[in-house]
Amino acid sequence: DQQVKQNSPSLSVQEGRISILNCDYTNSMFDYFLWYKKYPAEGPTFLISISSIKDKNEDGRFTVFLNKSAKHLSLHIVPSQPGDSAVYFCAASDSNYQLIWGAGTKLIIKP
Amino acid sequence: EPEVTQTPSHQVTQMGQEVILRCVPISNHLYFYWYRQILGQKVEFLVSFYNNEISEKSEIFDDQFSVERPDGSNFTLKIRSTKLEDSAMYFCASRGTAINQPQHFGDGTRLSIL
Repeated sequence: DQQVKQNSPSLSVQEGRISILNCDYTNSMFDYFLWYKKYPAEGPTFLISISSIKDKNEDGRFTVFLNKSAKHLSLHIVPSQPGDSAVYFCAASDSNYQLIWGAGTKLIIKP
Repeated sequence: EPEVTQTPSHQVTQMGQEVILRCVPISNHLYFYWYRQILGQKVEFLVSFYNNEISEKSEIFDDQFSVERPDGSNFTLKIRSTKLEDSAMYFCASRGTAINQPQHFGDGTRLSIL
């Protein structure tokens, strides 16, 4: 079941630069999308979300973009900081609110 | 900031034994969830719970699994007769009632079946 895909297992970015994490989905019934950040030995921490009626949502250094026609969303982090190093999960839900998860992308911020 | 708490952080159990994983959701949340993540695999939905009953469950959530809200604060996941393949991280989550509220997660219980 590959309804939510994160094709990059890892991403390395220089501190201060922009990090762009990508996510694709196949189920057109998804109407709510979320990004979570996870450190080792901790649970996923909610970062930012977007509903399908929007194409952009911004919160501080984090912006999520949604392209419904392409079934693609991305998370932009700018500027990237060392504390941003973590695994980032994309998740999607329909009206049932059960989350369908991507496999995660490990983001490494280099000093 | 209020948070979801899970106990124990690590549970080691013999195959065939019953195990209960405990969660205290955020106090004003009414929707509760269990997910699991087998090592090296994706996070998978198990079950959602609202108004003292299961609202959705996945194929993984078979007759060996049950959930309960025994009092006003705890939300538990019971596995009656554990199997080796039940070894995983189990995450509890809760969310508020407004539309498009995110689920907030605990730090998980690592379940190891021997």
